[in-house]
Amino acid sequence: RKEVEQDPGPFNVPEGATVAFNCTYSNSASQSFFWYRQDCRKEPKLLMSVYSSGNEDGRFTAQLNRASQYISLLIRDSKLSDSATYLCVGDPYGGATNKLIFGTGTLLAVQP
Amino acid sequence: DAGVTQSPTHLIKTRGQQVTLRCSPKSGHDTVSWYQQALGQGPQFIFQYYEEEERQRGNFPDRFSGHQFPNYSSELNVNALLLGDSALYLCASSLTKMNTEAFFGQGTRLTVV
Repeated sequence: RKEVEQDPGPFNVPEGATVAFNCTYSNSASQSFFWYRQDCRKEPKLLMSVYSSGNEDGRFTAQLNRASQYISLLIRDSKLSDSATYLCVGDPYGGATNKLIFGTGTLLAVQP
Repeated sequence: DAGVTQSPTHLIKTRGQQVTLRCSPKSGHDTVSWYQQALGQGPQFIFQYYEEEERQRGNFPDRFSGHQFPNYSSELNVNALLLGDSALYLCASSLTKMNTEAFFGQGTRLTVV
């Protein structure tokens, strides 16, 4: 079983739609979690960190459920520019060493 | 302020050859991590260098080795290349004592033929 698992998609949604990505992790000792965004043939870039209390950044909301070992990302009012691969990421060492464990990524295609 | 820079951007090698990839971290960062990203997959952690020593290692064979220089730049070496080594190799830098996020370079796309 992979340490971080996510639905590879693709998710095809119209502009303005709300889309949710889910991710599960197997290492219950994992301390920190993140969502990264990767555009085609580019490097991953940090989208947001994920906290148990949930955190929101504009149209993006991330949530961590430690009991279920489950992470989510919600994108509201999708834009064409949101089209990318979204990578769920865990750090078993709490961020101090940045040994990041990536999921396979979920491809989002926002249609006009 | 230059971010993380990697060279070369693209490379084609033959099976059995050796390759060296280079990474310059973001200014002020002291830690370099290397990742391999195969097509359609997420990046996989290869190893990490801090204070010129390998601090963490992922599940990669000894054919993969690295080095960090006093100026914090780093090299990734792969010996006896296999077709399966074809991938995007990403370098990420961070500042350990400040527990900063990792910033990625644009990657080196290696093709083994």
